[in-house]
Amino acid sequence: NAGVTQTPKFRVLKTGQSMTLLCAQDMNHEYMYWYRQDPGMGLRLIHYSVGEGTTAKGEVPDGYNVSRLKKQNFLLGLESAAPSQTSVYFCASSPSRTSYGYTFGSGTRLTVV
Amino acid sequence: SQQGEEDPQALSIQEGENATMNCSYKTSINNLQWYRQNSGRGLVHLILIRSNEREKHSGRLRVTLDTSKKSSSLLITASRAADTASYFCATADAETGRRALTFGSGTRLQVQP
Repeated sequence: NAGVTQTPKFRVLKTGQSMTLLCAQDMNHEYMYWYRQDPGMGLRLIHYSVGEGTTAKGEVPDGYNVSRLKKQNFLLGLESAAPSQTSVYFCASSPSRTSYGYTFGSGTRLTVV
Repeated sequence: SQQGEEDPQALSIQEGENATMNCSYKTSINNLQWYRQNSGRGLVHLILIRSNEREKHSGRLRVTLDTSKKSSSLLITASRAADTASYFCATADAETGRRALTFGSGTRLQVQP
């Protein structure tokens, strides 16, 4: 099925460990986004990309890095995980800037202990 | 940062009743979008209304937009138990040039069978 696929779906990290979350889309979308969602809150933008080879910071970029080496993939890295990064991470993609609805992945639930 | 705020935070109704959720935002927008999120899942795009539109329909959904009051409402008619979910508004900011949507904190809708 066409869409956005996130891996892994669940992960538990120890403080200080690093990891990479992978987002893949097969809709040939130019724009990709990483958001985090905390309990009872909306989504906050971490980083986004407007095309292959580009990245930009969102509202809450500290502690995260991203890469978009291929158009279909958008990677989110945590260099040194902290308990404050415990959250559900959502990847989304869209054909253009903001004129279309986003297609979201099913999320990665990350716990940092 | 500019953010949509939904009202009410939670809403419980009986099946067959109408559900109305409101969203307020702070700055000029290009469009406003509504999303649904079922528990433990990613967000699903429902409807997009452009800044020059006042009302839009899609099936049992009716969205209104009042740019002078910087507010929008989502009406779900003849609600069903399957409509139980969280609903988020998201805005495409026309002032900052940010190329990503800003999401509100959501309304949790419970439809009692």
